[in-house]
Amino acid sequence: DAKTTQPNSMESNEEEPVHLPCNHSTISGTDYIHWYRQLPSQGPEYVIHGLTSNVNNRMASLAIAEDRKSSTLILHRATLRDAAVYYCILRVRSTRQLTFGSGTQLTVLP
Amino acid sequence: KAGVTQTPRYLIKTRGQQVTLSCSPISGHRSVSWYQQTPGQGLQFLFEYFSETQRNKGNFPGRFSGRQFSNSRSEMNVSTLELGDSALYLCASSPGLAGEGNEQFFGPGTRLTVL
Repeated sequence: DAKTTQPNSMESNEEEPVHLPCNHSTISGTDYIHWYRQLPSQGPEYVIHGLTSNVNNRMASLAIAEDRKSSTLILHRATLRDAAVYYCILRVRSTRQLTFGSGTQLTVLP
Repeated sequence: KAGVTQTPRYLIKTRGQQVTLSCSPISGHRSVSWYQQTPGQGLQFLFEYFSETQRNKGNFPGRFSGRQFSNSRSEMNVSTLELGDSALYLCASSPGLAGEGNEQFFGPGTRLTVL
């Protein structure tokens, strides 16, 4: 099974950039990389996704390594509302399964 | 546009019973996926329905089943409940097949407690 590996927790100061890493060494060429986050007592919320190229949207940026074995979610200016568990997810096309990572608990310090 | 709704929000059952959970996707969305979330196992994929057909299934026993109706609403059923089935069950919808570059929209979940 394709797996993702993320640090259990990270801390950031408010208004500073945050780089959340994810390793997915068994990824294949057709697997999409998705990031979701989950705030307490809520369902996960979509953040960003990509296949090969770096992606930007209003919430974040996704940097994908050239060999696609790792990616980094970048929050450009962390706010207290960004405190959540961030999940790096692979869509494994061969098995059609979505594989969630263990997630990274992001704490934002005022 | 209304979001994904799940009913009921909370449910208490006893071992051996069965339970049916309901999910109404965002209007126009044809894919509905179900997930189980527990403190020990995290978020695990159960199955995905698209146009009334199960398109994908995770590694769960046959006690877990689902279906999708012509209006895209979906139900999941768990028979012969076990204590370990206590979890938050999340439903997510997307316009097309989940993961095919499509964003998934999650509902608030149904908290199931098995006593």
